Amino acid sequence: LAKTTQPISMDSYEGQEVNITCSHNNIATNDYITWYQQFPSQGPRFIIQGYKTKVTNEVASLFIPADRKSSTLSLPRVSLSDTAVYYCLVGDMENYGQNFVFGPGTRLSVLP
Amino acid sequence: DTEVTQTPKHLVMGMTNKKSLKCEQHMGHRAMYWYKQKAKKPPELMFVYSYEKLSINESVPSRFSPECPNSSLLNLHLHALQPEDSALYLCASSQDQTGGNTGELFFGEGSRLTVL
Repeated sequence: LAKTTQPISMDSYEGQEVNITCSHNNIATNDYITWYQQFPSQGPRFIIQGYKTKVTNEVASLFIPADRKSSTLSLPRVSLSDTAVYYCLVGDMENYGQNFVFGPGTRLSVLP
Repeated sequence: DTEVTQTPKHLVMGMTNKKSLKCEQHMGHRAMYWYKQKAKKPPELMFVYSYEKLSINESVPSRFSPECPNSSLLNLHLHALQPEDSALYLCASSQDQTGGNTGELFFGEGSRLTVL
C-alpha cells in the first residue's frame, strides 16, 4: 500500500476553512483514500473516502487530482471541536482485512 | 448497532500477570484488527483477523496473543508484559469493501493499559 505523508501540524481560527493535503506518490490503481479524525483517548473516526475527483459529505470535502498522487481534505468553517489529529490512509479496494497503516497524521489546532 | 465495544476501559497489571482485552462488534464485519497507540503517535497495527483466521501479524512479540473465538469477538491475551507495553490498545472492524461499501475501519474507544 502507498505510503502517505502529511504536514505534522496546522493552526487555524474558528470559522475558517482548513485544507489538509496528503501525498501518496505510489498509489496503485486499486487503491482508495480514506480520512480519519481522532480525538485524545478515543479511537479514530471515519470522515470521508474517495477514489478520484471530488467527494462531499455533511462534514467535509475530499479533492483528488487526476494523477491521484495527493488528496486534500477540506473542512469548512472549523470550530474549536475540530481540534484533533487527522490521518489519511490508502487502502486496496480488492483486499479485505488488510494492513491499514497510519502515517503520523496532522495535528490541527483551532484557535478562538 | 454501529459500535465496537472494548473492555476493560482501563487495566493496570504487573509484569507477571496474565490478563485479557476484549473486543466485540455486531455489525457482521468479518475483519477485525488490533492496534497499539502510544501517546502522540499514530495507531500501530498489531494483528488482523479475516474470517476468524489470523491473516496479519506485524511481528508482534509473543507476550501478546490474539484470539478470535467467533465472528463477533476478538481477544488480546497479555502475559509477561513490560512497562514499555503501556499504551492505548484499539480494536477495529471493517466491512467487506465490495458491493459499494467503503470498507472503513470502525474503532472502539480503546483499552488503556498500564504495566507496572
